Parts: sequence; C-alpha cells; structure tokens
Amino acid sequence: QVQLQQWGAGLLKPSETLSLTCAVYGGSFSGYYWSWIRQPPGKGLEWIGEINHSGRTNYSPSLKSRVSMSVDTSNNEFSLKLTSVTAADTAVYFCARILSPSGYDSFDYWGQGNLVTVSS
Amino acid sequence: DIQMTQSPSPLSASVGDRVTITCRTSQRIANYLNWYQQQPGKAPKLLIYAASSLQNGVPSRFSGGGSGTDFTLTIGSLQPEDFATYYCQQSYSPPYTFGQGTKLEIK
Repeated sequence: QVQLQQWGAGLLKPSETLSLTCAVYGGSFSGYYWSWIRQPPGKGLEWIGEINHSGRTNYSPSLKSRVSMSVDTSNNEFSLKLTSVTAADTAVYFCARILSPSGYDSFDYWGQGNLVTVSS
Repeated sequence: DIQMTQSPSPLSASVGDRVTITCRTSQRIANYLNWYQQQPGKAPKLLIYAASSLQNGVPSRFSGGGSGTDFTLTIGSLQPEDFATYYCQQSYSPPYTFGQGTKLEIK
C-alpha cells in the first residue's frame, strides 16, 4: 500500500522560505510524477507543481517565480520550497502522487497535509 | 488557465437521494476530468478519473459522465458517509485547475 508522509515548518514570518518534504512508502517512486497542492483555510484546491524522479519539473505560472521542487531518489522523497512567503501563502499543503493510466493524469494518493501559517 | 465552475453549491439532500453535481470548463478538455471527495480535515480522495472511470475501491453508486466542457458526478443513493465536499479537476493542460467545490449537506 502506498503511503505519503509529509513534514515541515508550520509557522513562518513574512519573507521567509516555506520548506516541506514528502516521503513515499510502498510502490514505485521512479515510475510517477509527484505533486504539491495547497488549500487556504476554508477555500478550494490550488495546484503548485509537479516533479518526476529525474527532477523534471512543471510549475504553476502563478507561483513559478517563487517555487522550486527537488527529489531525493535514495530516500524516495521529494521537496517543495516557496520563497518570500506572505499571509496569502497560508494554507494546508498536500503532497500527492500523479496516476497516469493511458495519459489521463489524476492525484490518487495524498499526504496527510501540513498547515503552514504565515504571520508576523 | 482553464477555469472550472461547479454547481450547485451548496447542495442539500437526504440519505437515499440521487444527486448530481455539475462541472463546466472554460474550454474543451475532451474527457480529461477527475472528481474528488474531501471530508473535513482530510486529504481529498480520488473518485472518478477520465470523466467516467471509477477509481479502485470506490463504491459503484458514484458515477461520472460528460465530455468537452460539461461534466457530471452522480451519487446513486446517498449514504451518511457521502456528505462531504466534492471537487472537479481538469488534467487536460497544466496548470491543473480545480472547481471551487460543492458542499453536500444533509437536508
């Protein structure tokens, strides 16, 4: 059974860098793309970007200037960094696996979510 | 970006009812459309992918349909555990975008 376990700092000050890591247990790591998605409190879901095992990335244009993702294939982990955070970046951040049967991408396994609050 | 619009929101219904949630996209996306269920405080759960394919382990009372710009999620007979928020999501082209959500409430 695939499990995604994520961690990172939960309270940041404006202008600091958000850093989260997601570890993948069970299943293949190299055969998939991996994604980050966030959800502001009481609001909907926003896709941040994706990365595969070789480090190929694709970011949302709205966050591209502040986002970077990386992989550690030796530990089956992938990470998110978001620089220069503001209160608007306060959200629950989820990591997720992208399933692609016949080219139809969807998010089939999710981490538990981490609330990141940006406040001075 | 492809815009996603769900209706209705919220939706009030009773156990045993048949309900349908609609998702409309701002451009044609063939059948690159997924549906998720989210319980409070939990991560979303994949229900339907490619517009009408049921994810493994999801009860058969859930079904999806549509193509192009108009899609539906139907729950055949509501069970107590189905009261949650539902999101559609397009995977036609990045950035992958979600609908605003439909909260299914107990009447």
